[in-house]
Amino acid sequence: DQQVKQNSPSLSVQEGRISILNCDYTNSMFDYFLWYKKYPAEGPTFLISISSIKDKNEDGRFTVFLNKSAKHLSLHIVPSQPGDSAVYFCAASMNRDDKIIFGKGTRLHILP
Amino acid sequence: DGGITQSPKYLFRKEGQNVTLSCEQNLNHDAMYWYRQDPGQGLRLIYYSQIVNDFQKGDIAEGYSVSREKKESFPLTVTSAQKNPTAFYLCASQGYYNSPLHFGNGTRLTVT
Repeated sequence: DQQVKQNSPSLSVQEGRISILNCDYTNSMFDYFLWYKKYPAEGPTFLISISSIKDKNEDGRFTVFLNKSAKHLSLHIVPSQPGDSAVYFCAASMNRDDKIIFGKGTRLHILP
Repeated sequence: DGGITQSPKYLFRKEGQNVTLSCEQNLNHDAMYWYRQDPGQGLRLIYYSQIVNDFQKGDIAEGYSVSREKKESFPLTVTSAQKNPTAFYLCASQGYYNSPLHFGNGTRLTVT
């Protein structure tokens, strides 16, 4: 049973506009959430994270929003750039002895 | 400079043979992880280790084995019991609780 769900396999956004990637989770014990970006044949690179004690974290063009009551988080990229075209993974963990669980990913296409 | 090294980048084996994938890190991280990526499946956890000489099974450990004799090294053996070994394998490390995973660039294993 999937604990971290990314229900959109792909998303296309015009260059310069906002990209919004969504992630839902089922386990209310998750207390740390991360977003990764991945290019083909490379390892994922860390983008941004958020602790469950916050509802927003911002780093440059990237902002992550956490809605604990809805068990939902989203990654906003603004403005979107061609280099943002990649697969984005949402991940979550619940305590120091537990594992980090990833969603299936969303492929983002930035259109010229 | 610090990082995670996975070798080789591409690996080919005949069915029925065991194969060991290398993962070395010089980040002085305690925790190390092995994930497998298949198209449409995201990243699935195979094994993880929070400390030397200790490791736990992830979600898809069957047909795999690991060892953690040194902090820097976490090799993964894909045994002949793994039914679908062809995949992209990713190793990661983590310095402390609630910190991001650092990934290597992966090994693509093809078994024919």
